[in-house]
Amino acid sequence: NAGVTQTPKFQVLKTGQSMTLQCAQDMNHNSMYWYRQDPGMGLRLIYYSASEGTTDKGEVPNGYNVSRLNKREFSLRLESAAPSQTSVYFCASSEAMGSTFGSGTRLTVV
Amino acid sequence: GQQLNQSPQSMFIQEGEDVSMNCTSSSIFNTWLWYKQEPGEGPVLLIALYKAGELTSNGRLTAQFGITRKDSFLNISASIPSDVGIYFCAGRNYGGSQGNLIFGKGTKLSVKP
Repeated sequence: NAGVTQTPKFQVLKTGQSMTLQCAQDMNHNSMYWYRQDPGMGLRLIYYSASEGTTDKGEVPNGYNVSRLNKREFSLRLESAAPSQTSVYFCASSEAMGSTFGSGTRLTVV
Repeated sequence: GQQLNQSPQSMFIQEGEDVSMNCTSSSIFNTWLWYKQEPGEGPVLLIALYKAGELTSNGRLTAQFGITRKDSFLNISASIPSDVGIYFCAGRNYGGSQGNLIFGKGTKLSVKP
């Protein structure tokens, strides 16, 4: 009963480095999302994918790219990390009801 | 972008007390959701509301979809230490895509045994 699995759980990057955050869900959901969570800011949507093969920008897409590899997997890429991207990143998936979240990736950019 | 106003920001209560928190919006929503987040974990859905005026319970939790469609509240009765966490409201607009789920900034609940 895995639900939504995110890797890695923790990552430290130097400014300018690139990395990909991985997300997979086993609930056969069509929609998947990437959020970032910063203190006092709640959850802000970065990108989402309503179905396999489609992606759309959310509230804060700058500096990120995404790939919906197949129905299960939705990855988030930082091409050139900046300190402002230090945050906790959550992947989620959903059908008609509320989203199911992964346990997060804590990213620090130094 | 559009925001939800969630209050209070934080609460410090004694075990056994009742808790109430709410969210308001300047726009109409067709769905209200309430989540709880514990340290080091992602938010977990507690209650989903789909109709104006709807009142739904989940154990000691009760949530209502405001009649104006612009607000929702969450009540927790007889709080216990494991209620500690951050509670988020979230709303979805009429005509919005799956991406239009907007989150409040959260209410941090602390419970003294």
